[in-house]
Amino acid sequence: KQEVTQIPAALSVPEGENLVLNCSFTDSAIYNLQWFRQDPGKGLTSLLLIQSSQREQTSGRLNASLDKSSGRSTLYIAASQPGDSATYLCAVSPYNFNKFYFGSGTKLNVKP
Amino acid sequence: EPEVTQTPSHQVTQMGQEVILRCVPISNHLYFYWYRQILGQKVEFLVSFYNNEISEKSEIFDDQFSVERPDGSNFTLKIRSTKLEDSAMYFCASSNSLNQPQHFGDGTRLSIL
Repeated sequence: KQEVTQIPAALSVPEGENLVLNCSFTDSAIYNLQWFRQDPGKGLTSLLLIQSSQREQTSGRLNASLDKSSGRSTLYIAASQPGDSATYLCAVSPYNFNKFYFGSGTKLNVKP
Repeated sequence: EPEVTQTPSHQVTQMGQEVILRCVPISNHLYFYWYRQILGQKVEFLVSFYNNEISEKSEIFDDQFSVERPDGSNFTLKIRSTKLEDSAMYFCASSNSLNQPQHFGDGTRLSIL
């Protein structure tokens, strides 16, 4: 069974810092990997999706990379803002299965 | 921007009763999902649905659970004989294809008393 781990569990940074969130998964046979943002009491908002054949995806200040062979993905947030404060989740979809495994998330606090 | 809507936002039910959680996915999406998140725990996959049938289900999704797409717009999750441990946030999601992002609703908080 696929296990997804996210490190760190929580992170507090001053506004303006660049930061990296980590996601690792145990089975490299994945179809894609998604990064989500979850605000308190809300659903999940998809940030970036990386297909298994891709190495990275970018959207604005966000860049996600994927190293399938080592079972790792990183989410890079540039010039962090207080509005970035949320829990960030990664989820992987195993190859040939329409199901998803989530990590437990990194709770990010960006201080003004 | 189109969004996934879920009703009700909060459902309180006595143990042993049946509940139906409702979702309206984005209209041109073809893949539908239910997840749950017990307070303080990971988001857990329950079931995926495509072409009017279940495509995958987790170990959690046993005979107590069922899903239905009764018309062209709604996607429901029915939980029979609810138990205290069914208390959780239930999220519906939809996507246009397997390689497109999933769009989530804001969830239904289910409280079993």
